[in-house]
Amino acid sequence: DIVMTQSPDSLAVSLGERATVKCKSSQSVLDSSDNKNYLAWYQQRPGRPPKLLIYWASTRKSGVPDRFSGSGSGTDFTLTISSLQAEDVAVYYCQQYYSTPGSFGQGTKLEIK
Amino acid sequence: QVQLVQSGAEVKKPGSSVKVSCKASGGTLSTYGLSWVRQAPGQGLEWMGGIIPIFGTEKYAQKFQDRVTITADESTSTAYMELSSLRSEDTAVYYCATNLWDGSGSAINYYYMDVWGKGTTVTVSS
Repeated sequence: DIVMTQSPDSLAVSLGERATVKCKSSQSVLDSSDNKNYLAWYQQRPGRPPKLLIYWASTRKSGVPDRFSGSGSGTDFTLTISSLQAEDVAVYYCQQYYSTPGSFGQGTKLEIK
Repeated sequence: QVQLVQSGAEVKKPGSSVKVSCKASGGTLSTYGLSWVRQAPGQGLEWMGGIIPIFGTEKYAQKFQDRVTITADESTSTAYMELSSLRSEDTAVYYCATNLWDGSGSAINYYYMDVWGKGTTVTVSS
C-alpha cells in the first residue's frame, strides 16, 4: 500500500496569512499514461464530514474558494491557503487514489494564531 | 447534486454485526461508485471498501476483507455496509461517499471522493 505522510501535524497561522501543508507519498502517484497525479485534498471542519477541495493534485472543485490551491507532482504535494480565513480552521487530509486502497495522510490540524 | 443520507447511530455488543445504510437523494447511485470510510475517535480517515452499483462489484481493503460486506440496491438508490465480529476498536464514525471511478470487471479503479454523507456513529461496548 502507498503510505502518505503529511507535514506538519499541526499549524497555527494568523488571519490573512498564508498556510502551507505538505504531503509526501511513498511512491509516485503520477500516471505517465495520462500525465495526471492521482492526489486529492480534503477539509474536515470539527464535527463535520470531510469535504473535497482539490483533485488531480491541482484541480479545485467547483465552489471552493480560489484562496485554496494545490501543487506538486510525483511524490511531493502542497496545499496552500493564500489568505487564511476563520472558517478555514479544520483538519486537512491528502489522499492518493493511484492504487486501491486509496490511502490518506494522517491529517494536518490548522488553527488561528 | 446528489446528497447522501445515512442511517442513525448504533450501539452494539462485541461479537455482533452492524449494518449501516446510505441513501442517495436528489439523484441515483447508478452513475457513481460508492465508498465507505471510517474515522475512529480523534483519528484519521480509513478507506474500508467500495461498490460500483451498476455492476454490483465490490472491492475491499485487505484489513476488512473478512468482516465487511458492501451492497447496493439500485431500485432504492441505497448502499449498505455490514461489519461483523465487532470489537471495541470498531467504535468510529462511518461515512459513505460517492467516487469517481473507471474500469470494468476486477480492474475497477476508485478515484477521489466527492459527496459525503454526514456519518453514522457506531459504538461497540459491552
